[in-house]
Amino acid sequence: DIVLTQTPLSSPVTLGQPASISCRSSQSLVHSDGNTYLSWLQQRPGQPPRLLIYKISNRFSGVPDRFSGSGAGTDFTLKISRVEAEDVGIYYCMQATQFPWTFGQGTKVEIK
Amino acid sequence: QVQLRESGPGLVKPSGTLSLSCGVSGASIININWWSWVRQPPGKGLEWMGEIYHSGSTTYNPSLRSRLTMSVDKSNNQFSLHLRSVTAADTAVYYCAKGGEGTIEYWGQGTLVTVS
Repeated sequence: DIVLTQTPLSSPVTLGQPASISCRSSQSLVHSDGNTYLSWLQQRPGQPPRLLIYKISNRFSGVPDRFSGSGAGTDFTLKISRVEAEDVGIYYCMQATQFPWTFGQGTKVEIK
Repeated sequence: QVQLRESGPGLVKPSGTLSLSCGVSGASIININWWSWVRQPPGKGLEWMGEIYHSGSTTYNPSLRSRLTMSVDKSNNQFSLHLRSVTAADTAVYYCAKGGEGTIEYWGQGTLVTVS
């Protein structure tokens, strides 16, 4: 199975300041079709996960533009340009390049 | 917008079978390529269980393959999960989800199933 390792596991952030989460894969996430199926999900407390970013850098419908994704191959990053109170939660990276699909262990974003 | 709702027993006895259904609204199940199940033990991370195509073709997580069956009910626009021989380790919130663009686009609210 592909292992996704997220850092940091916890990220205390001041409101209005940026936040960054890294996701490193145990192997390349480039699919044979040329796409890289790396996504980012947000899970607010008591809520189901919600898709933020797919295929490295594509924002899903309704996702604010303060969220952005980047990376290639095995190293990926989610950035929040200015953290808002509603951004508190756990963020997961997820790969759908190779079965079984796998998730990172999650990064908790909280307000200082 | 697609909405998904899980339904089924919240309590299952050890060695029994965990059965859940996912009702889909806002889309026809036969028009969407694939549907997934993901679970999350209390306080822990996410585990992808498997996916089913509208044709009925399935791909399961090898860790669950021997115990897992998924099916599609086109007439009721829903899909289902059956997990056999459950233990306390299968206690989790179970999410059904809609796939697309090489990811999981929409998630149900989730349902907690306790094995006890």
